[in-house]
Amino acid sequence: KQEVTQIPAALSVPEGENLVLNCSFTDSAIYNLQWFRQDPGKGLTSLLLIQSSQREQTSGRLNASLDKSSGRSTLYIAASQPGDSATYLCAVSGGTSYGKLTFGQGTILTVHP
Amino acid sequence: NAGVTQTPKFRVLKTGQSMTLLCAQDMNHEYMYWYRQDPGMGLRLIHYSVGEGTTAKGEVPDGYNVSRLKKQNFLLGLESAAPSQTSVYFCASSYREIGEAEAFFGQGTRLTVV
Repeated sequence: KQEVTQIPAALSVPEGENLVLNCSFTDSAIYNLQWFRQDPGKGLTSLLLIQSSQREQTSGRLNASLDKSSGRSTLYIAASQPGDSATYLCAVSGGTSYGKLTFGQGTILTVHP
Repeated sequence: NAGVTQTPKFRVLKTGQSMTLLCAQDMNHEYMYWYRQDPGMGLRLIHYSVGEGTTAKGEVPDGYNVSRLKKQNFLLGLESAAPSQTSVYFCASSYREIGEAEAFFGQGTRLTVV
């Protein structure tokens, strides 16, 4: 059974700092990996989708990398802003998660002014 | 663009009552999914549909039924609500099988069963 773990569970940083969120998964035979953002009381917003054949994806200040062989992904946020405060979730599909997304528990990010 | 819309946003049920949660998407997506989100458990798949008229069980299907009579709508039913079904329910849709294409989520339905 695929298991997805996110570290740290919570992170608090000052505005302007660069930061890295980590995601690991137990079954490396994934199809792809997605990073989502969830604001309190809201739904999930897709940030980045990395196909298994790709090593990284970039969108604005966000960069996500994928290392299938080691079962790891990182989400890099450059020059963090208070508006980045949210819960960040990673999810994988494929392998033992074929046809569905298996989510990690999320990292709660707080960026303070 | 409306995207994925869930109705209702909040609901309180008494144990044993029934209700239906509605998910509607206007993106002509084939694939639709119902997840529940619980503290410490993350998001877990309840049921999903790969097209109009089809449904399949996910990870935690017990106590729920679904129907996909129209391509744009995916209904989640609770026949006899239990306190264990207190959760936040999310509907999602994707153009292709989830994971192959970007997934779009609704805003969620917060359900409390007392």
